[in-house]
Amino acid sequence: AQSVAQPEDQVNVAEGNPLTVKCTYSVSGNPYLFWYVQYPNRGLQFLLKYITGDNLVKGSYGFEAEFNKSQTSFHLKKPSALVSDSALYFCAVRDFLHNDYKLSFGAGTTVTVRA
Amino acid sequence: DSGVTQTPKHLITATGQRVTLRCSPRSGDLSVYWYQQSLDQGLQFLIQYYNGEERAKGNILERFSAQQFPDLHSELNLSSLELGDSALYFCASSTGRDGAYEQYFGPGTRLTVT
Repeated sequence: AQSVAQPEDQVNVAEGNPLTVKCTYSVSGNPYLFWYVQYPNRGLQFLLKYITGDNLVKGSYGFEAEFNKSQTSFHLKKPSALVSDSALYFCAVRDFLHNDYKLSFGAGTTVTVRA
Repeated sequence: DSGVTQTPKHLITATGQRVTLRCSPRSGDLSVYWYQQSLDQGLQFLIQYYNGEERAKGNILERFSAQQFPDLHSELNLSSLELGDSALYFCASSTGRDGAYEQYFGPGTRLTVT
């Protein structure tokens, strides 16, 4: 069974400080990993994905994520957070190896960036 | 704007009723996915269609059904509604049928069952 865990319900940072949102995964085979962001009263927006290749993936709005196979993690990072980054962030995983196209989302992490 | 449209935006109905949610994917996308988002269950995958055929099934109740039409729009039918079906229902679309493609989400339909 495939799954992701987001160990923090909430992350609070000051504007201009680095932002990290944690995600760990559990899959059989090679994982396809995604990060999405959801602003209030909006649908989810795709930020970035890891399929294969470089462990550091760059995405939209200055976000990047680092794939770490030994730690089964895919943490989302931004060097300098903005107040407008305040939103709900979801990590998601899909196990492609077993022909299962289901996308499993984590519970989400609420990010609050204070001015 | 993701390019995925959903109607209606809000829906209020009574228990036992039946509703239909509609989704139009991004131009060129062949896959449509349906998700349910609620406070207690989080974001749950319901079902995927690819080019008119059911591709994958998730936690979809038997009271729920979906289909994808030749013009690629999709409808999610919810019947014998219960209070617990109140949630946000999202549609997403992607180019391909497998896990390599990112999904683009619509704005959602907020269903309230009273």
